[in-house]
Amino acid sequence: EPEVTQTPSHQVTQMGQEVILRCVPISNHLYFYWYRQILGQKVEFLVSFYNNEISEKSEIFDDQFSVERPDGSNFTLKIRSTKLEDSAMYFCASGSGQPQHFGDGTRLSIL
Amino acid sequence: QQQVKQSPQSLIVQKGGIPIINCAYENTAFDYFPWYQQFPGKGPALLIAIRPDVSEKKEGRFTISFNKSAKQFSLHIMDSQPGDSATYFCAASAGGGADGLTFGKGTHLIIQP
Repeated sequence: EPEVTQTPSHQVTQMGQEVILRCVPISNHLYFYWYRQILGQKVEFLVSFYNNEISEKSEIFDDQFSVERPDGSNFTLKIRSTKLEDSAMYFCASGSGQPQHFGDGTRLSIL
Repeated sequence: QQQVKQSPQSLIVQKGGIPIINCAYENTAFDYFPWYQQFPGKGPALLIAIRPDVSEKKEGRFTISFNKSAKQFSLHIMDSQPGDSATYFCAASAGGGADGLTFGKGTHLIIQP
């Protein structure tokens, strides 16, 4: 069964550094998403991406965040200057409308 | 108005029992209501989903009940097994592909042997 894959599984970064999280969505899906889950809390929507542009974004997705689909298979989330509060699990998801299928996440730890 | 309220926060049920998890929403634009199951170290996995044109949907041992007038929906797990022990999230969306899911806070379910 096709699945969403995310790399790395764990990323440790110094505060203020840039970080790029990578995702390979399911190949025939059209919509791509990023979510985050702070430890012990609910999953929160960050952004959706369709037809090579952002479709929707939440209040969390400020100017420090950007997304890109640099080629036909990868979908990336960049955080420009990381803060301590960016420490969380980041989940990529993909779909063609609903439902959305999630990867197993990247744990981002900011030191 | 965007919130989805989920209860209980945690639940312990004996094997074979029927755990029930409840969710409530305010935003009447929501028209897609999935349930996700999450095991430690894994991403949320879609379990079952419903749209408001039906009041109940069953898939295997999992049933969603939906009450549109009350803006509530619930998950029932029949003949629960220890392998069902996980965190369960309800979610809601306005249904279009571009719309993100609004998740509840999750229910940590333990099924005791």
